[in-house]
Amino acid sequence: LAKTTQPISMDSYEGQEVNITCSHNNIATNDYITWYQQFPSQGPRFIIQGYKTKVTNEVASLFIPADRKSSTLSLPRVSLSDTAVYYCLVGDKGGRRALTFGSGTRLQVQP
Amino acid sequence: DAGVIQSPRHEVTEMGQEVTLRCKPISGHNSLFWYRQTMMRGLELLIYFNNNVPIDDSGMPEDRFSAKMPNASFSTLKIQPSEPRDSAVYFCASRLDGVIGTEAFFGQGTRLTVV
Repeated sequence: LAKTTQPISMDSYEGQEVNITCSHNNIATNDYITWYQQFPSQGPRFIIQGYKTKVTNEVASLFIPADRKSSTLSLPRVSLSDTAVYYCLVGDKGGRRALTFGSGTRLQVQP
Repeated sequence: DAGVIQSPRHEVTEMGQEVTLRCKPISGHNSLFWYRQTMMRGLELLIYFNNNVPIDDSGMPEDRFSAKMPNASFSTLKIQPSEPRDSAVYFCASRLDGVIGTEAFFGQGTRLTVV
């Protein structure tokens, strides 16, 4: 499985755009990049998934460069409720492989 | 669908006792995961089932832990005997493997305290 590296923590203020970058140098051809969000006392929740270039949904955008060795989760105009841990995962989409989480990035949004 | 349902939500037990955690995955999902989360070790994968068969149990800490999935709608994680270091939040998740665009859905977790 491709190993992922993320910053341990980030701080931001309400209304700012937050970009969290994940490195995955050993990503395989069939691998997709998936991000999950976890609030305190809750299980992780899927945010976004992509293979290359850019993916956008109602929650976030995911930017993936051509070499796919990294990806950036972009949260526009964060609010206090975006304070959470964000996990980057790499694996084959819909494949029969276990879902392994790294340490994640703890985002703290200040008023 | 009500999502992944775990029970109990909280469990307090004495060291040496048997503990059984339960999980009902989302109907139609064919994969199920058990995780353990602590501040020190983060979110650890314990075991992964696909079509009720254990595919990867390399994360099960030791023989005191066992997991079963007798059918597609139910799984248990048993700890016998329990120890204080087993105190953690245990999450169950399910996913539909083999289909493009799938994501894993997590339950609310069981907070286990072993005293």
